[in-house]
Amino acid sequence: EVQLVQSGAEVKKPGESLKISCKGSGYSFKDYWIAWVRQMPGKGLEWMGIIYPGDSDTRYSPSFQGQVTISADKSINTAYLQWNSLEASDTAMYYCAGCKDATCDYWGQGTLVTVSS
Amino acid sequence: QSALTQPASVSGSPGQSITISCTGTSSDVGSFNFVSWYQQHPGKAPKLMIYEGIKRPSGVSNRFSGSKSGNTASLTISGLQTEDEGDYYCCSYAGGNTLFGGGTKLSVL
Repeated sequence: EVQLVQSGAEVKKPGESLKISCKGSGYSFKDYWIAWVRQMPGKGLEWMGIIYPGDSDTRYSPSFQGQVTISADKSINTAYLQWNSLEASDTAMYYCAGCKDATCDYWGQGTLVTVSS
Repeated sequence: QSALTQPASVSGSPGQSITISCTGTSSDVGSFNFVSWYQQHPGKAPKLMIYEGIKRPSGVSNRFSGSKSGNTASLTISGLQTEDEGDYYCCSYAGGNTLFGGGTKLSVL
């Protein structure tokens, strides 16, 4: 069974750093792109960026370029989304998704990030 | 690049058919056959319903169908059921980027 399991909910203060994870199993992790998608409270889905774990080729949406860092470690089938300095506006649910040809077949359960002083 | 345009809400009665539109531009929907549709129920992760504009993943009901004309893609749900209620998002490859629509809330009355 294909699974993407994300790390647990986080509560952080503004200015703090954070790295959340997405671990794949049940398929060849290095052969599927992993996308990160943001969903702010009560809002729609936003594409943040995507990484190919096989060679770490990474593409960012212009809206998120420079705001976050996407990385992956294919040796442990895990992708990451990282912030250096969180803001309150980063409060959202973050999903990872396994994608091929711009089609995301598999989704993680989501990681809720809350940033509050 | 702006989000794709979807109606905020649509509604229908059980057994009826509805169509959700997704309007982009010649730089995204109009140029690529990589339009997908996702269903999301409250508190749940999105689920792929249609990919490459018209294809259905295994396990998705054949009541769901997709189409595209020019810069507009559409999702049609026939024989509406109460379980179809939820939010629907279109998504299109845009040449180096990927865009979501703003989402459409489907109510089955």
